[in-house]
This record gives sequence, structure tokens and C-alpha cells, in this order.
Amino acid sequence: NAGVTQTPKFQVLKTGQSMTLQCAQDMNHNSMYWYRQDPGMGLRLIYYSASEGTTDKGEVPNGYNVSRLNKREFSLRLESAAPSQTSVYFCASRPTGYGYTFGSGTRLTVV
Amino acid sequence: GQQVMQIPQYQHVQEGEDFTTYCNSSTTLSNIQWYKQRPGGHPVFLIQLVKSGEVKKQKRLTFQFGEAKKNSSLHITATQTTDVGTYFCAGPGSGGYNKLIFGAGTRLAVHP
Repeated sequence: NAGVTQTPKFQVLKTGQSMTLQCAQDMNHNSMYWYRQDPGMGLRLIYYSASEGTTDKGEVPNGYNVSRLNKREFSLRLESAAPSQTSVYFCASRPTGYGYTFGSGTRLTVV
Repeated sequence: GQQVMQIPQYQHVQEGEDFTTYCNSSTTLSNIQWYKQRPGGHPVFLIQLVKSGEVKKQKRLTFQFGEAKKNSSLHITATQTTDVGTYFCAGPGSGGYNKLIFGAGTRLAVHP
């Protein structure tokens, strides 16, 4: 009963490096999401995928790309990391018309 | 763009006191959801409200959805140290219910 699994849990990058954050859910949910959380700013939507094969931009998509690999997996890629991307990243999934299930988060620091 | 605002940003109470956080949207919402995030943890879904004027209770927590479906509140009766955390409200973003826009949250500290 894993729910939403995110890897890695912690990461330190140098400016300009790239990385992919992985997310997988085992609840057969259609919709998946990537949010970032910064102190005092709540959760801001980066990208989402309403169903397998579709992705859409959220509030803060610049500097990120996503891939919905299959129904279970939704990855977030930083092509050239910047210090402004230092944040906690949460992946979430949801069944239609109900609440999100969040992963435990990835704490990313860009130096 | 659509905004969901929460007040207060932070509140500290003595254990046993009541606590209320308020959520206001710039647009009418089809539904509103509430989440709790413990320090160092991830948000956990608490409840969804759909109907105008709806009131739901979960033990010491009471959730209300305004008649105009533009505001909501969460009230905790007789707070306990286990209530510590940040409470977020969230409403559907423009363009469909598939995505949620979160408020900035209310951080609750409970002193024993």
C-alpha cells in the first residue's frame, strides 16, 4: 500500500546541472500533479497530467519539463537548475472528483 | 488570475483553546478541499465540500462552505498538540476542476 512514491528524497545540485524527479503511484489514478512548496507561499502547481498521454502547464512551469510515461509514472525534469528552483517538490495523484494523495516530497537545493 | 487567500498566516494557541482559519476565493468555487501538513511532512487530504452552505464535522474539526461558494472555514474545538501543522484550503483552478489552486496556508502552533 505505497500510495505515491517520490525519488530522491533529498538532492543538492550545482547551478546548470540537470536532474529528473521521479514519481509513481499504485492507486490507478488518472490525474497526476507536480507542485513546489516555498516558505510562506503554499503549494504552486508546476505541471499536471489529467490522463495518460496528456500534460498541461500549471502556475509556474518555466524551467521545467514533464513526462507522463504511463498511467503510474509522472516525472519532472530540470534541464538547467537555477538557485530559484531550490524548493520542496511534491508529486500527487487523485481519482476523479476527490482529494489528492501526496508523495513525501523531494527537498532540492541548487547552489 | 484566480486567487485563494487564507487568514491568518500564523496562529498560536494554548492547548484547549479553539482555532479558526478562513479561506476566500476571488471566484465562485465548484468545491473546496482542506489539507493538513505536519511539520516536515506532506499535505494530507482532510475533506471536500461541494454544496452551498455545507457543514461537515470530523471529531473536533468543523468545516463550512459559504452560501456564495466563495469562502470556507475550518474550526478546531479544544485544540490538542496533535493539531500542530499547516492547514491549507484549495479550490479548482480556472479551466477545469482537474487542478487545484492552494491558499498559502495557516500555520497553527499549540502550546501545552
